[in-house]
Amino acid sequence: EDQVTQSPEALRLQEGESSSLNCSYTVSGLRGLFWYRQDPGKGPEFLFTLYSAGEEKEKERLKATLTKKESFLHITAPKPEDSATYLCAAFSGGYNKLIFGAGTRLAVHP
Amino acid sequence: NAGVTQTPKFQVLKTGQSMTLQCAQDMNHEYMSWYRQDPGMGLRLIHYSVGAGITDQGEVPNGYNVSRSTTEDFPLRLLSAAPSQTSVYFCASTNNRGNTEAFFGQGTRLTVV
Repeated sequence: EDQVTQSPEALRLQEGESSSLNCSYTVSGLRGLFWYRQDPGKGPEFLFTLYSAGEEKEKERLKATLTKKESFLHITAPKPEDSATYLCAAFSGGYNKLIFGAGTRLAVHP
Repeated sequence: NAGVTQTPKFQVLKTGQSMTLQCAQDMNHEYMSWYRQDPGMGLRLIHYSVGAGITDQGEVPNGYNVSRSTTEDFPLRLLSAAPSQTSVYFCASTNNRGNTEAFFGQGTRLTVV
């Protein structure tokens, strides 16, 4: 069964304290690994897509990486405005569906 | 530049009532989908469509119907609302075959009493 698991569920950081969020996946025929940011009361907002193991993408303080079993979202020197829920999703080519993990709630304190 | 528009934003239903959540996109995307989001469970796929006239079930389809008569619209129907359907519902649209960036609506917060 296709599954996406994110850890930790919640993460509290001090401003400037770098860390990583984990997304492990078991998906038939992976055709894309996605990271989204979701602010309270809003819909998810696209951050990155990774298509093959070894691929990396960066945007400001965020960097996403992909292996054959998991993806990491690295946050370097975070700021309070990075506080949000970060969602990982895998597109299953076998079932033609996007499967989401439960998310990591990130809080960055000054 | 509307993107994905969902209506209504909030709704309270009584058990047994039916209603339709509306979703429209103006990006000419083929792939559209409906998710529900519950605390601690992330987004779960209800139904999806790869193009006009084609729909398929997701992980949690029971109690919901969809149709896709046009590329732009993908309404979600609750046939007989139950308290277990209290949730936040998101509609999304994607270009190509679904494995590219998805654009989400702002969500509909539904409470069934």
